[in-house]
Amino acid sequence: DTEVTQTPKHLVMGMTNKKSLKCEQHMGHRAMYWYKQKAKKPPELMFVYSYEKLSINESVPSRFSPECPNSSLLNLHLHALQPEDSALYLCASSQEAGGMGTGELFFGEGSRLTVL
Amino acid sequence: DQQVKQNSPSLSVQEGRISILNCDYTNSMFDYFLWYKKYPAEGPTFLISISSIKDKNEDGRFTVFLNKSAKHLSLHIVPSQPGDSAVYFCAAKVDNSKLTFGKGITLSVRP
Repeated sequence: DTEVTQTPKHLVMGMTNKKSLKCEQHMGHRAMYWYKQKAKKPPELMFVYSYEKLSINESVPSRFSPECPNSSLLNLHLHALQPEDSALYLCASSQEAGGMGTGELFFGEGSRLTVL
Repeated sequence: DQQVKQNSPSLSVQEGRISILNCDYTNSMFDYFLWYKKYPAEGPTFLISISSIKDKNEDGRFTVFLNKSAKHLSLHIVPSQPGDSAVYFCAAKVDNSKLTFGKGITLSVRP
């Protein structure tokens, strides 16, 4: 069982909807990440939070809005998405930001998003 | 510009034989390399890693080899098992920077 939990596992939304993806970890990790993965492509980094502060934004469009309410939770708020935003959204955590040390990331199972 | 390349999209091997998954990189500053395994409908899981100061790291059936002069690393799985069938991602990082992933290779282990 993964120690990074993501909800919902599947989400279908229209282009005018507002929805949120949620991620939770209880490993005491201080860094949390959002990745986007399209079919047959590697995971692409979107955001990094370190000690609950946004440390990296990989030039992600503003229709994606991350939020880190506390050290265990990470949200991704979605608004006015496009069909091309349909993808698997992966949350990950690591002991420290940027993978100091080993760089090992612990991934959740992902949220499969479909934008109609 | 892809800094981490997995040029073969797929590999099929017989159960019990060795699987060799290759990865090339272009950034000589990478100091840590990792392999992740991903089953369908699941997130990637960490498999094994190697520091740039080493040339080999072994963990059970999995061994990663690093050839810095060739900017090449490989993952050896021996013996291969049907449960090893998955997508394998090679990843690399520089100091405290983000991980850079390769495109992945799909391994199929035939019973």
